[in-house]
Amino acid sequence: EDKVVQSPLSLVVHEGDTVTLNCSYEVTNFRSLLWYKQEKKAPTFLFMLTSSGIEKKSGRLSSILDKKELSSILNITATQTGDSAIYLCAVAPNTGNQFYFGTGTSLTVIP
Amino acid sequence: GAGVSQSPSNKVTEKGKDVELRCDPISGHTALYWYRQSLGQGLEFLIYFQGNSAPDKSGLPSDRFSAERTGGSVSTLTIQRTQQEDSAVYLCASSLVGGGRGPGTQYFGPGTRLLVL
Repeated sequence: EDKVVQSPLSLVVHEGDTVTLNCSYEVTNFRSLLWYKQEKKAPTFLFMLTSSGIEKKSGRLSSILDKKELSSILNITATQTGDSAIYLCAVAPNTGNQFYFGTGTSLTVIP
Repeated sequence: GAGVSQSPSNKVTEKGKDVELRCDPISGHTALYWYRQSLGQGLEFLIYFQGNSAPDKSGLPSDRFSAERTGGSVSTLTIQRTQQEDSAVYLCASSLVGGGRGPGTQYFGPGTRLLVL
């Protein structure tokens, strides 16, 4: 059965800390892995990763995919209170139309 | 449109009533998805549309749930005889590609928060 597992489930850090969120997957015919940030309701797209070992970076956020280990990490450096959100990982297969989502990591950044 | 829109943003209904949720995808996006997110849970896939047809209805939890899409654009998700366990946030997403080439990057709407009393 295809599945995506994220860890930790929740995390509380202080402003300025660096955090690493994990996503592992078992999905047949992997195509891409996506990270989303969800505040309140709508998840917003962060990164899409298709190639192993190539880091995607946007400001203080970065992500990398390891296809051998079937996993990805999302790093956030110098965290701010505005980073508080649920971070969702999703995997898209090469066939079919469904994205497989993890349950997310809830990040709380304390001032 | 500029982004995916959904209406209503919140809906409170009584058990047993029917509800209709609407999704307006990004203009030109051929693929449209409905998800359900219960409190503290991940996104649960409900149904996928490619154009007006729904090749994948595997996620619909029961026959009380149905969805349609007209003109390759707006979609409605209907829940008949609502139950308390239907309470959740219903999210719609659209993407440029889908249908055998694998799903493209999805863009989500703000969701409809449904509460069944």
